[in-house]
Amino acid sequence: DVKVTQSSRYLVKRTGEKVFLECVQDMDHENMFWYRQDPGLGLRLIYFSYDVKMKEKGDIPEGYSVSREKKERFSLILESASTNQTSMYLCASSPERLGGYTFGSGTRLTVV
Amino acid sequence: EDQVTQSPEALRLQEGESSSLNCSYTVSGLRGLFWYRQDPGKGPEFLFTLYSAGEEKEKERLKATLTKKESFLHITAPKPEDSATYLCARRNQGGKLIFGQGTELSVKP
Repeated sequence: DVKVTQSSRYLVKRTGEKVFLECVQDMDHENMFWYRQDPGLGLRLIYFSYDVKMKEKGDIPEGYSVSREKKERFSLILESASTNQTSMYLCASSPERLGGYTFGSGTRLTVV
Repeated sequence: EDQVTQSPEALRLQEGESSSLNCSYTVSGLRGLFWYRQDPGKGPEFLFTLYSAGEEKEKERLKATLTKKESFLHITAPKPEDSATYLCARRNQGGKLIFGQGTELSVKP
């Protein structure tokens, strides 16, 4: 069964900390995505990557960066965490640009 | 602008009471309409993909249909375990999925 694994289910960080959210997929998918999900706002795309070492900004990239050094791993980085980045973060992957997405279980991040 | 609108925001049903969820989208070259189920605290789980008007797909008590402007997720004789948030998404011209805000379904025994 295909899997997208996010390293943490719950995370609590302090304002100003550098935060790394890790995502690994075992399906040899080309494309990987980071979303955040907030009540009333739905899923919003932060960054995505169509290939190793490639990244593109989504709809809300401010305050975030990403890294994709290997095909199976896509990391989301909060350079200096702020309270408005408290959210559920979801990683997804797809085999091709027109393929459906497989999501991870999510990381609920709280910034205090 | 690509938009996906789902209605209702929340739906409460009695067990066995059939109903439908709606997903409407701006029409500009649909490249796929997706339905996902999301349980609390978990990531979305893929249900269906529809590509052309008139297409239908079924899985257990769920049936998804597609017209030129909207998609419906029909739930027949729902059970409490069908309680979840149902998300709809369309693929935009850039190839990315644009999600609606979801319909929170609650099925009471």
